[in-house]
Order: sequence, then structure tokens, then C-alpha cells
Amino acid sequence: GIQVEQSPPDLILQEGANSTLRCNFSDSVNNLQWFHQNPWGQLINLFYIPSGTKQNGRLSATTVATERYSLLYISSSQTTDSGVYFCAGARGAQKLVFGQGTRLTINP
Amino acid sequence: EAGVAQSPRYKIIEKRQSVAFWCNPISGHATLYWYQQILGQGPKLLIQFQNNGVVDDSQLPKDRFSAERLKGVDSTLKIQPAKLEDSAVYLCASSLNSGADYGYTFGSGTRLTVV
Repeated sequence: GIQVEQSPPDLILQEGANSTLRCNFSDSVNNLQWFHQNPWGQLINLFYIPSGTKQNGRLSATTVATERYSLLYISSSQTTDSGVYFCAGARGAQKLVFGQGTRLTINP
Repeated sequence: EAGVAQSPRYKIIEKRQSVAFWCNPISGHATLYWYQQILGQGPKLLIQFQNNGVVDDSQLPKDRFSAERLKGVDSTLKIQPAKLEDSAVYLCASSLNSGADYGYTFGSGTRLTVV
């Protein structure tokens, strides 16, 4: 099955900093999603982005499907951005496979 | 739209006991998923339903786990008997349909502790 690798595993930043999170896939996917898991455990869907670039406020994501990777950008970080960020991918109707996550800590 | 509802939020049981979790997906969502998330790891799919049929249960420990989605709406996941290693958060998600074109919406999860 598909293997999903996320980097870095941990990231600690000061409020206001920018960050880039990366997700690599072992095989091509046509369903790629980014999630934020808040400190209470809730998984929030950030982007459905099998290819191209999308932006939502301070967050944006880019997927280069031909090179099997995706990037999540967070600009002007806030403490509420803290949590674990997961990417997940699937091919067709196959199950969505999650990476191990990047734990982001934003200090005031 | 209302989100994915799950209950209970927390459950503590002794090993060898049984437990059941409930999930009500977003109205109109044909596909329902149960994921297990062990502390420090990403979620792992246990079972996927399309309406009331099972699409994928390849990672469901069928000797102790069972799930059903009667009438193609809400779903129940059961563990009997529970083991210590079943301690995890059980997440339910739904999507409009299966396939490559749909994002997932997750519920708040049920945190299970087996002692």
C-alpha cells in the first residue's frame, strides 16, 4: 500500500513566524488531504488538494502530483495553530492512508 | 450542516470487557469510516462502509472487533473482549461518496482506555 512520510516530525516556532510542512508519497495518489488535529483531538479538514495550489487565509497548500509530494504553508503563525498536522492520501476508492504527523508548537 | 456525531467521548473499561461506540455521519454522506488512532500515531482505517455495505475491513481485527451500519445511516463499532492494546481514540468520518473526489469530515472521537 501507499506509504506517507511527513517532515519535520516536530516544529517549534515563535508567534508570527512562517512554516512549511512537507508530505511525500511512495506512489501516486489522486486523493490528498491535509488535516489539523487540535489539542482536544479533533481532526479538522484543511484542504482537499490532489494537485495544484489552494489558499485559505493564512494557510495554503501545494501538491505536485507528478513528483508525489505536497507542502502546507502557514504564515504569521498564531498560538491557535498549535497541534498535529496530518497529510493523507489514497488512490481511487482505496483507503486514505495517514502519515505520522508533524507536531507544531507555536510559542507566544 | 451538522457535523459527524460520536458518543461517548470517553470510556474506561477493564480488559476482557466489551464496549460499543456510536457514530452518526453527516446527512446524505454515503461513505462512513472508522479509524483507530493510537497515541503518537496517525489514524489507521479499521472499516469503510458504502451505504450499508462493507467496502474495506482488511485491518479490522475480526476476532474481537465488529461493526455495522444498519439502514446505511448511523454505525456502531464494538470490541469484545477488549485488550490493553485497544487503548486509543476511535474516530468516525464520513464523506459524500467513496472515490477520489471527496474530502472527509471527522467526528470528535471516542477516547478508550483499557485497564
